[in-house]
Amino acid sequence: KAGVTQTPRYLIKTRGQQVTLSCSPISGHRSVSWYQQTPGQGLQFLFEYFSETQRNKGNFPGRFSGRQFSNSRSEMNVSTLELGDSALYLCASSSPVRGTEAFFGQGTRLTVV
Amino acid sequence: EDQVTQSPEALRLQEGESSSLNCSYTVSGLRGLFWYRQDPGKGPEFLFTLYSAGEEKEKERLKATLTKKESFLHITAPKPEDSATYLCAVQAGGTALIFGKGTTLSVSS
Repeated sequence: KAGVTQTPRYLIKTRGQQVTLSCSPISGHRSVSWYQQTPGQGLQFLFEYFSETQRNKGNFPGRFSGRQFSNSRSEMNVSTLELGDSALYLCASSSPVRGTEAFFGQGTRLTVV
Repeated sequence: EDQVTQSPEALRLQEGESSSLNCSYTVSGLRGLFWYRQDPGKGPEFLFTLYSAGEEKEKERLKATLTKKESFLHITAPKPEDSATYLCAVQAGGTALIFGKGTTLSVSS
């Protein structure tokens, strides 16, 4: 059974640009969540999508947005990049039942210069 | 406010030297407590889910336990390949996971 796939693995962008990250969940999983991981703040929740609808949102500015497609694949977009957006962005997929475990992809390492 | 605190931040062990990692939490309505292992540059790898106080789960050299305020990850006779960062997370009223900062374990032979 294939795991969670994130593309690309690495990205270097310039301040002010925008970026789109992609996530393909485990087959049959309809819930996709995104997290940002930095050395200072650890793993922080960005948002969760289920059945193409945002079900939950963390405390991040509106520059961070996402969407989910009918095949459960998800994309995350960050506009007007700032140096502080440099981080490992992780996608996790899970059964939509609360309390079930989430399985993470390998992440996309974003560096903003 | 829901919060997860892990201790110690870093732990160095000799091969075969057993120890425990701590995860204390304050949440309203715990739906699940999760342990993950993360290797450098990789995504977290799921280890265990615990749902209620008194529950225990084991996998090879790892054993996770849960009380009403904290969870422990016991590592018995660790090997160098157990070196990693161990993350604890809780899920409360919503679907988001709230993570601790992790414990970085180094096991030397």
